[in-house]
Amino acid sequence: ETGVTQTPRHLVMGMTNKKSLKCEQHLGHNAMYWYKQSAKKPLELMFVYNFKEQTENNSVPSRFSPECPNSSHLFLHLHTLQPEDSALYLCASSPRDYTKETQYFGPGTRLLVL
Amino acid sequence: AQSVTQLGSHVSVSEGALVLLRCNYSSSVPPYLFWYVQYPNQGLQLLLKYTTGATLVKGINGFEAEFKKSETSFHLTKPSAHMSDAAEYFCAVSDRGGTASKLTFGTGTRLQVTL
Repeated sequence: ETGVTQTPRHLVMGMTNKKSLKCEQHLGHNAMYWYKQSAKKPLELMFVYNFKEQTENNSVPSRFSPECPNSSHLFLHLHTLQPEDSALYLCASSPRDYTKETQYFGPGTRLLVL
Repeated sequence: AQSVTQLGSHVSVSEGALVLLRCNYSSSVPPYLFWYVQYPNQGLQLLLKYTTGATLVKGINGFEAEFKKSETSFHLTKPSAHMSDAAEYFCAVSDRGGTASKLTFGTGTRLQVTL
């Protein structure tokens, strides 16, 4: 039990669909992250939120829209995705947005875009 | 800017044998170094990290890693492999004092443990 949950665990969507990924952390952390994990590529940081404020957008296309209503919840809204967006999307949290601090990861959402 | 190179995308060892997963980094300043493990259908879990102090770092599940500045390496070892160690392992590096956006991951090494 990592304390970070993600739903759904698997998602298949067409390019015209709109869907949302949800992440919840039960660790009392103040920083939350979205990562994209693709085969044969390093983990890519997408967004960082610290105390509900977005502190990093790593040149992510606008078809990915994050939302952080509070320090415990993080969403990733998806629309008009492309097949190359198929990947494992990981959520993580840490006490604060410092690299020294351990990040705790959820199990991920496996996304397939058709 | 920092970078990480993990030598060998796949490593296979026999149960009971030494595990050695290689990680070399590049950083313009003294780094923080991390090893994460990812079991099938799970997220990443921290094995160990080096921030300051002793260069030999002990982690969970019997793993350890040694920070060697002269070799710019942070190799992960375990004296005796167990079947449950089969997973993917990621090395990561960051500059000191930076934010999480400065954390750079390697491409991973998949460890297979055979009987």
